[in-house]
Amino acid sequence: AQSVTQPDIHITVSEGASLELRCNYSYGATPYLFWYVQSPGQGLQLLLKYFSGDTLVQGIKGFEAEFKRSQSSFNLRKPSVHWSDAAEYFCAVGDPANFGNEKLTFGTGTRLTIIP
Amino acid sequence: NAGVMQNPRHLVRRRGQEARLRCSPMKGHSHVYWYRQLPEEGLKFMVYLQKENIIDESGMPKERFSAEFPKEGPSILRIQQVVRGDSAAYFCASSPTEGYNEQFFGPGTRLTVL
Repeated sequence: AQSVTQPDIHITVSEGASLELRCNYSYGATPYLFWYVQSPGQGLQLLLKYFSGDTLVQGIKGFEAEFKRSQSSFNLRKPSVHWSDAAEYFCAVGDPANFGNEKLTFGTGTRLTIIP
Repeated sequence: NAGVMQNPRHLVRRRGQEARLRCSPMKGHSHVYWYRQLPEEGLKFMVYLQKENIIDESGMPKERFSAEFPKEGPSILRIQQVVRGDSAAYFCASSPTEGYNEQFFGPGTRLTVL
């Protein structure tokens, strides 16, 4: 069964600084990979996804993620964070072999705090 | 086009009562997923439904929990005889078809069991 690890529970960065959130997965082949953001009291919003092809994926709100097969990682990056980026970020994987059942496996999340 | 609707947003129940959580998918979406988020944890898959069919309920506890998605009306997640450990946020997501389309999440129902 696949699993997702987000090793950082909580990260604090200054507004305008760069950001990298880590995500590692365990899966026999290349899974489908997703990053979601959850603002307080809200549902989840998809930032970006990777299925195949170019390993650098661009998403919404200025985020990007890079798939590295050798490291089983899919880290999320942003060159300059804004106060509105403060939220919980979840990495998730889907099983390409599971066509017809696209349930996702989520990591435990990373809470991002932005300081002025 | 309204997003995924969930109601109620907050639900308080005493131990032993029943909880009914409703999810109206986005218009045109016929696939519904339910996830549970325990405090300080990520979302855990519970059940996947298509209209009138349960496709995968492998993440749902065998007892007290049930789900349905009738031909007409919202999807319902029902928890009978709730216990304190059922306190969590329950999220519903919908997608339009098979295949790894984006799952659109609702705002969740936060269940508190006293």
